[in-house]
Amino acid sequence: DAKTTQPPSMDCAEGRAANLPCNHSTISGNEYVYWYRQIHSQGPQYIIHGLKNNETNEMASLIITEDRKSSTLILPHATLRDTAVYYCIVRASMYSGGGADGLTFGKGTHLIIQP
Amino acid sequence: DTAVSQTPKYLVTQMGNDKSIKCEQNLGHDTMYWYKQDSKKFLKIMFSYNNKELIINETVPNRFSPKSPDKAHLNLHINSLELGDSAVYFCASSQPDRGANEQYFGPGTRLTVT
Repeated sequence: DAKTTQPPSMDCAEGRAANLPCNHSTISGNEYVYWYRQIHSQGPQYIIHGLKNNETNEMASLIITEDRKSSTLILPHATLRDTAVYYCIVRASMYSGGGADGLTFGKGTHLIIQP
Repeated sequence: DTAVSQTPKYLVTQMGNDKSIKCEQNLGHDTMYWYKQDSKKFLKIMFSYNNKELIINETVPNRFSPKSPDKAHLNLHINSLELGDSAVYFCASSQPDRGANEQYFGPGTRLTVT
């Protein structure tokens, strides 16, 4: 799986949009971008994933650049409960042998939402 | 209903002992995993099972032996516990051939070896 680079920490004011960047310049064509987060003392939680197009769900939006070398996770209206470590993970699709692969977690970004 | 559950939540034991951590998922997933999160918060895959068959076995000492009695359970047995085994262990499950193949994690088991 391709390596990812994220800032170690970020602050965001409550109610504002939190934009978390991720660089994955060595991503290959069959690899998806996944985002997970880990709230303190809990198991990681899936947020969103994408391949080429921008994606949105009830939790967040994912913006992937046209060359796919970087992406941004957007939490549109951050709350105190969004304080967590956010992990950007690149992994192959199940059709390329990534089906039962474990996730390769980096250090992630510690997002702190300020009241 | 909890999707992925683990027992116990906390486990304190002495070096040299043998212990087990249990994991159950009620999501009907075919694949289950064990991860280890050390004191520096790095999360690493240990094992992956698909339909009770071992798929991934990362460089984990053979003192660690996963057992999958059925698709819904993946237990982790650890022999001759060492101080370095102290960590939080997370179980997870996924369905690789459906949807996003996202993994659902349990709440973790904090193992302390003294």
